[in-house]
Amino acid sequence: GAVVSQHPSRVICKSGTSVKIECRSLDFQATTMFWYRQFPKQSLMLMATSNEGSKATYEQGVEKDKFLINHASLTLSTLTVTSAHPEDSSFYICSASSTSGGNQPQHFGDGTRLSIL
Amino acid sequence: DQQVKQNSPSLSVQEGRISILNCDYTNSMFDYFLWYKKYPAEGPTFLISISSIKDKNEDGRFTVFLNKSAKHLSLHIVPSQPGDSAVYFCAAVSGGGADGLTFGKGTHLIIQP
Repeated sequence: GAVVSQHPSRVICKSGTSVKIECRSLDFQATTMFWYRQFPKQSLMLMATSNEGSKATYEQGVEKDKFLINHASLTLSTLTVTSAHPEDSSFYICSASSTSGGNQPQHFGDGTRLSIL
Repeated sequence: DQQVKQNSPSLSVQEGRISILNCDYTNSMFDYFLWYKKYPAEGPTFLISISSIKDKNEDGRFTVFLNKSAKHLSLHIVPSQPGDSAVYFCAAVSGGGADGLTFGKGTHLIIQP
């Protein structure tokens, strides 16, 4: 089945550090990838939609200057949390769906647990 | 305001019996619904989906029912197996699936031997 790889799986770093998370679609091309965030006991919340070759679309309340998204190719999107602070500690997860059109389910990576000290 | 609600945080079912997971939504623009299964330390895995033009979709042991008038969908698993123990997320999207998903909080299904 479709596979999405996300790296790293866990990050622990000091406040003020910038952290980059990679999301790769391994066996299909993805024009669009999505980034979600999940706080404890909450549902996965969409942060932004990453479009290959163009600017990402951010959901209301998500700071685009803090969460930088780059979608350089049809198989790779990156999320950079700039100058991370403890309140950014969360579970970040990406998803992608095939470009083949129609109703295509999104396939998820295994997520990144970010802990800011 | 949560647009997708899974009101049961957990559900315990005996092995071999039917598991029924419920999901309600409020946004009438949603036209595609999905169920995902999640094990600890892994990302959600796609299980089954249904378009709003259908009221039932079946795949092996898994069946999803959609009641548009009630804005309600359910996932039936029969017979339930120990490997089905996981957190199940209901998700919905408008625009034919091209947009980001709106998730419920999940239901932790526990299959008892």
